Amino acid sequence: GAGVSQSPSNKVTEKGKDVELRCDPISGHTALYWYRQSLGQGLEFLIYFQGNSAPDKSGLPSDRFSAERTGGSVSTLTIQRTQQEDSAVYLCASSYLSGNTIYFGEGSWLTVV
Amino acid sequence: AQTVTQSQPEMSVQEAETVTLSCTYDTSESDYYLFWYKQPPSRQMILVIRQEAYKQQNATENRFSVNFQKAAKSFSLKISDSQLGDAAMYFCAYRSGGEDKLIFGTGTRLQVFP
Repeated sequence: GAGVSQSPSNKVTEKGKDVELRCDPISGHTALYWYRQSLGQGLEFLIYFQGNSAPDKSGLPSDRFSAERTGGSVSTLTIQRTQQEDSAVYLCASSYLSGNTIYFGEGSWLTVV
Repeated sequence: AQTVTQSQPEMSVQEAETVTLSCTYDTSESDYYLFWYKQPPSRQMILVIRQEAYKQQNATENRFSVNFQKAAKSFSLKISDSQLGDAAMYFCAYRSGGEDKLIFGTGTRLQVFP
C-alpha cells in the first residue's frame, strides 16, 4: 500500500482479555517498529524488526506483550490479559533498511475497561 | 542512556507569525540524527525535518528550519509564516548512528490562532 496500515483503528476491550493489533508496513520496507503513546506522553519504543534478524524486544514492558512478523511483512502485536494501564495508542512504523526515514501509521487506539 | 526533553507542553502562535519550539537532548555519542515529527489529530506522525549531527549547516524545509547547537545539545524548530494547518503535536526525536530506534520527547502542542 501507499502507507503504513494499522488495524483496528480503535479497540475497546475488557480487562483480562487478549488483543491483537495488526500492522501492514509499506511494501518493500525491511524495518518495522512498534511504539506506544499513552495519553499526554511521548512515544515509548516497544519492539523493532529488521529483515531476518532477531527482533529488538528491549522495550516490551512485560511478558504479556509479544509481537511477531510473518514473512518479513505484516506484524501482529499481542497483549495478553490486558490491564487498564495498557490503554494507549499503539503506533507502527516502517523504513527501508536501517537508518532511513521512518514512516508511521495512524495507530490503533486501545481502551481497556 | 540518551534522553530527549521538550520543556514546552503547549505553545501558541498567531497565523502568519513565527514560533520556535525547544528541544534539548543528552548523549555521549558523536554520530546521531535528530528529527522533528508533527502529529495532527489524525494521529499519524509526519516527518517535518531531519538533521545529521555531523552537518554544521542547519536543516531547512520550506517554512520549517532548525537551530542545531551541537555543543549545547539543543535542537529547536522554527516555523515561519505559521498556518492554521500547522496546529498539531510536535515531537523531537533522537536516533543514534548505531541504532535504528527513535527516542522521543514528550511533545509540544502547538495552537495556531487566526
